[in-house]
Amino acid sequence: NAGVTQTPKFQVLKTGQSMTLQCAQDMNHNSMYWYRQDPGMGLRLIYYSASEGTTDKGEVPNGYNVSRLNKREFSLRLESAAPSQTSVYFCASRDQAGQPQHFGDGTRLSIL
Amino acid sequence: QKEVEQNSGPLSVPEGAIASLNCTYSDRVSQSFFWYRQYSGKSPELIMSIYSNGDKEDGRFTAQLNKASQYVSLLIRDSQPSDSATYLCAVAYNNNDMRFGAGTRLTVKP
Repeated sequence: NAGVTQTPKFQVLKTGQSMTLQCAQDMNHNSMYWYRQDPGMGLRLIYYSASEGTTDKGEVPNGYNVSRLNKREFSLRLESAAPSQTSVYFCASRDQAGQPQHFGDGTRLSIL
Repeated sequence: QKEVEQNSGPLSVPEGAIASLNCTYSDRVSQSFFWYRQYSGKSPELIMSIYSNGDKEDGRFTAQLNKASQYVSLLIRDSQPSDSATYLCAVAYNNNDMRFGAGTRLTVKP
């Protein structure tokens, strides 16, 4: 039972490069989320998808785009990476409003 | 003003003591409340959910919710060194939005 799977686990980019972070869940959950976590800042919501076909901005959406490819997959794209986007990125999913989220193991992204 | 506020700590308690963690949240239509534990370098893991006013107990953990005061807390009884971690408060809003506090770092000293 994999739960929420994120790829890659680690990545180093140069400023200006683009990259897509992948997330897939096998729990048949409706909602999916992307967070970034920086020291002292906690988890900050980037984008979320309440259901297949919908996406909404969270607290810190600038510099990112998302795609809800199907019910299982929710990707996060950095079109032109900046050093300020160096962070740990977590994907999460949950079944219905009011239910807790389940997290993936995270992607550690460094931008030089 | 952040939507979900927690004291960053660190909070240090001796082994066997009660650790008390607090969280306040902004006045939006909030639906449910969660406490997650996060060990260093790991992803958050759910330890408690609470949906209505009052107390909810699960083993050594008790979550308390007071919607009128926009306040949620977590008590850890008989604290163990293995409880040393960062504890994240999370609030789920009716529009499927979900926000986290910055977390409180807890250290339990043997």
